[in-house]
Amino acid sequence: DAKTTQPPSMDCAEGRAANLPCNHSTISGNEYVYWYRQIHSQGPQYIIHGLKNNETNEMASLIITEDRKSSTLILPHATLRDTAVYYCIVRVSTGGSQGNLIFGKGTKLSVKP
Amino acid sequence: GAVVSQHPSRVICKSGTSVKIECRSLDFQATTMFWYRQFPKQSLMLMATSNEGSKATYEQGVEKDKFLINHASLTLSTLTVTSAHPEDSSFYICSARQKGGGAREKLFFGSGTQLSVL
Repeated sequence: DAKTTQPPSMDCAEGRAANLPCNHSTISGNEYVYWYRQIHSQGPQYIIHGLKNNETNEMASLIITEDRKSSTLILPHATLRDTAVYYCIVRVSTGGSQGNLIFGKGTKLSVKP
Repeated sequence: GAVVSQHPSRVICKSGTSVKIECRSLDFQATTMFWYRQFPKQSLMLMATSNEGSKATYEQGVEKDKFLINHASLTLSTLTVTSAHPEDSSFYICSARQKGGGAREKLFFGSGTQLSVL
């Protein structure tokens, strides 16, 4: 079972920041938080991941709380092309699980003009 | 970023026939590849994990004799749906784990294959 909880859907105005929350209260010390998104009828696209420090790349920022029980993905200036289902996943990066990703239901983000 | 190529993107077949889906890592070596299935409006479900040169590990409820997986090289894994039936119609997606990716490794996904069995 997925170890994360996300709201099923969110709306965001084009050009505004989209803040997508994720709860992962049972996260273990060696588990990373990964974010992927899936645009309709395509494979998931990697966005960002982190362990405990906040991370930023060209796509987004990831804010992880100090207790690591929740995180927020921030798309700073959402565009219509950011409309997708966003998945927050916790994962052991290496080891016996072989690092597979277990997908929950994600958040369907709709960016509106 | 790394590229995973999946082919075909869409296939329509008759009930009872077999369909092969290919997943290639184009610019990196993938020791492990994963196969997922996604039904409409549902999330991705892991079907099996394949390691180069060894037998695949199937998730509970996935028939290994129906979904044949071969991972003969570090850049290619194939999924063959044998004797396909309409209930096998789904979106199949592969992902690849880069060899030696380290603690901050990512999984890269193919673009998916929409299988429709008539």
